[in-house]
Amino acid sequence: GAVVSQHPSRVICKSGTSVKIECRSLDFQATTMFWYRQFPKKSLMLMATSNEGSKATYEQGVEKDKFLINHASLTLSTLTVTSAHPEDSSFYICSARVDREYEQYFGPGTRLTVT
Amino acid sequence: AQTVTQSQPEMSVQEAETVTLSCTYDTSESNYYLFWYKQPPSRQMILVIRQEAYKQQNATENRFSVNFQKAAKSFSLKISDSQLGDTAMYFCAFMRTQGGSEKLVFGKGTKLTVNP
Repeated sequence: GAVVSQHPSRVICKSGTSVKIECRSLDFQATTMFWYRQFPKKSLMLMATSNEGSKATYEQGVEKDKFLINHASLTLSTLTVTSAHPEDSSFYICSARVDREYEQYFGPGTRLTVT
Repeated sequence: AQTVTQSQPEMSVQEAETVTLSCTYDTSESNYYLFWYKQPPSRQMILVIRQEAYKQQNATENRFSVNFQKAAKSFSLKISDSQLGDTAMYFCAFMRTQGGSEKLVFGKGTKLTVNP
């Protein structure tokens, strides 16, 4: 089946620094990737949708300059949290979708802790 | 905007018994997809079952089945012969299929515990 990986699985960074999270589709080409944020014991909230080769579409209330998304190839999307603050600490999950199919394949998530 | 409501924050069931998780949604679309995802303690999202709105037949995947009532906008998940490994958060999700916006909208989730 379709496999999506995320790296790193856990990251701790200091306040004010930037951190990059990678999302890769391992055995298929993903025309669209999605980034979600999940707070403890809460549901997934969509942050942005990224299509290969074009700018990401951010959901209302998500700061574009803080959460930089790059979808440079059909197998890789990155989320960079810039100038991280403790309130950015969360679980970040990506998913990938094949063109013309509706199923999304989810990565295992990345736990970000900002100290 | 579409909304998905899961009215049961937590549920428990004895091993080998049957449990039903409820989900309602609100949309003006005529065609869409509905999903149930499982998130075990590992936090990996796993697709349990999918229903296409234009199909009247309820989807079934082994021990998992849905009761899809389109007019009532209801999409419940039935788990038969519950197993300890079914313990997880279960999220109901909606996806519209028109307008190029195939985004998933999730409910708040139901925490299911299967007791031995």
